[in-house]
Amino acid sequence: AQSVTQPDIHITVSEGASLELRCNYSYGATPYLFWYVQSPGQGLQLLLKYFSGDTLVQGIKGFEAEFKRSQSSFNLRKPSVHWSDAAEYFCAGSSSGGSYIPTFGRGTSLIVHP
Amino acid sequence: DVKVTQSSRYLVKRTGEKVFLECVQDMDHENMFWYRQDPGLGLRLIYFSYDVKMKEKGDIPEGYSVSREKKERFSLILESASTNQTSMYLCASRVGGGYTFGSGTRLTVV
Repeated sequence: AQSVTQPDIHITVSEGASLELRCNYSYGATPYLFWYVQSPGQGLQLLLKYFSGDTLVQGIKGFEAEFKRSQSSFNLRKPSVHWSDAAEYFCAGSSSGGSYIPTFGRGTSLIVHP
Repeated sequence: DVKVTQSSRYLVKRTGEKVFLECVQDMDHENMFWYRQDPGLGLRLIYFSYDVKMKEKGDIPEGYSVSREKKERFSLILESASTNQTSMYLCASRVGGGYTFGSGTRLTVV
C-alpha cells in the first residue's frame, strides 16, 4: 500500500542546533512529496514540495528537504533551529498519477530547548 | 494568498445533534477537502470534492456527509454527533500542488 512514515514521534533539539526530520515513503513510481508545519491550535502550512527535477528542495522559513530515491526518503532539514520552529511537522505523499490526494504521516513533534 | 476560513474555532455539541462545519475559500479553487486530526493518527481524509455538487468519500466517511452547493463553500455534516467524533477538523483547498488549510475547528461532543 502507498504510505508515508515518520519514524520519530518527538524530536528535541537545542536552539541553534541543526535539525533533520525523517520521512520515508512507499510508492511504486516517483511520488509527489510535501512537508507541512502546524503550530499549536493552527491549521497546516506548506513548507515545501517535490514533484520532479532537482532533488534538493528549498522551502520557506529556511527549511530544505532532499529526495533520495535509493533510500525512499524525503528528510526535512534546517541548519539552525529557532525557538519559533517548535511545532508539529507532517510529511505527505501522493502518487504522481491519478487524483493526487496525499497521504499524511502521523507527524513529528519538534521541541526546542533554549 | 489563498485564504481558507472555517467558521468556528471551537464547538461543543451534544450527542445526537446534527452538526454543520463550514469552510469557505476565496480563490475559486475547484478541489476542497475535509480531514480529521487525532493525536497519534495524523490526518485522515473524510470527504473531498472536485467541483460544485460533486463529492467523493475519503478514508473515513462513516457518520459524515458533505455539501457543496457553491464553489467557495464546502460543508461537513455530522448527521447525529457521537462522542467518537470529538476531534480537530481541518478543511483544505487545492489548485496545482499543495493544500491551503484552514485554522481548524475543534469539536467536542458531550
